[in-house]
Formats: sequence, structure tokens, C-alpha cells
Amino acid sequence: DQQVKQNSPSLSVQEGRISILNCDYTNSMFDYFLWYKKYPAEGPTFLISISSIKDKNEDGRFTVFLNKSAKHLSLHIVPSQPGDSAVYFCAVSNYGGSQGNLIFGKGTKLSVKP
Amino acid sequence: DAMVIQNPRYQVTQFGKPVTLSCSQTLNHNVMYWYQQKSSQAPKLLFHYYDKDFNNEADTPDNFQSRRPNTSFCFLDIRSPGLGDAAMYLCATSRGGGGLRAEAFFGQGTRLTVV
Repeated sequence: DQQVKQNSPSLSVQEGRISILNCDYTNSMFDYFLWYKKYPAEGPTFLISISSIKDKNEDGRFTVFLNKSAKHLSLHIVPSQPGDSAVYFCAVSNYGGSQGNLIFGKGTKLSVKP
Repeated sequence: DAMVIQNPRYQVTQFGKPVTLSCSQTLNHNVMYWYQQKSSQAPKLLFHYYDKDFNNEADTPDNFQSRRPNTSFCFLDIRSPGLGDAAMYLCATSRGGGGLRAEAFFGQGTRLTVV
């Protein structure tokens, strides 16, 4: 069973509007959460992260929100730009005494239309 | 400058013919990972090395093996590739540990085709 779920395979938004990408996880022991961005034919690149001791982290146009009670996190992109069009992966750190292996969701393909 | 380099970018191999994918890093990270990603699926961890310690995921087929001769290099060996092994193979590194140390840096991937 999937431990990290991104239930929307795709999302389309207009340039300048807000993009909201969602992610749910199953294990309350996960303690670090990351978002990766992936363009076609390239490896994923780190975008933003949040520790379980916080509920919000902001970096420029990107903000990640964490709701631990709901086991839910979201990535907000404001304003969205055509260059943001990519696949976004949510990942959680399965630290728990191991080496910080990441468990990924299936990704959400974001299309930002001019 | 690229920090995690995978070679080749594209690999075509014959059914059953052994193939090796390579990965190198300039970050001096402790941990190196191999992920398999098939279309529209999440990257799936195959195994990782923490320094010289090898950690195999429970559901990684025996057909897949890995070598890490030194800190900088890690290899993925597929002994007898089947059609189902066609995928993007991603190498990643991290410092290892919790929090921000878990942040993984990925190479560009190797697209494996089995014919």
C-alpha cells in the first residue's frame, strides 16, 4: 500500500494564478517532508522542504504547509509561471533510525498556461 | 557543474544480456541510492549504500545488484534484464541522516530500454 499519495495526477492553472499541489501520507512517524520538481528527461531537483516541528515554510513563490493531524501537506506556488510546468513529487524522509531514505509519491503533472 | 553524474543517459540492451549503469558524485556524500522509475509511477528505491554498508530493499529482485568501489562511484548491475526492467534509473546521494541531511541530490537518470 502506498505510504505517500498524490491523488491528482495532473493540474492545469492559468499563469499568474495559484497552484496548489496536495500530498497525503500514512505514517505519523515521518519527520521530514520534501517537494521535488522534475522536467522531462531530467532527474528530480529539490524544491522545498519542511520539518515536522513546523507547519509552514516559505521560499519565494513556493510555500509548503504541513498539517500533521491530517497527515497532509501541500505546495502552493504563487504566482504560477509557465516555467513551473513540470511533474512535482512529494517525498517523505523515512528516517526512524535509518539513513534518511526518501519515499516518493507518484507525482502531479502541473501545466501552467500563458 | 553537475554534482551527480549518470552514464549513459540512454542505454539499450538485449533481453537477458547483463548491463551496468554507472553513477558518480562530487559531493562527497555518505549515501548513494538507486531508484527505479517507471512511467507515471513513483521512484522506487532499489537499494542504497551508507558508506560501504549495503542496504537492499526487501522487494528488490535478485536480478539487481550494486557495487560501490569508493565514495564517488556506484554501479547498478542488472544480471539478466527482462522487458519489465525497462525504466528510468535514478542515482541519488545524500549526507545521510534525518532532517535536511535526508535531502537527496539526483542525477539526470539513465533510460534503459530492453529489446
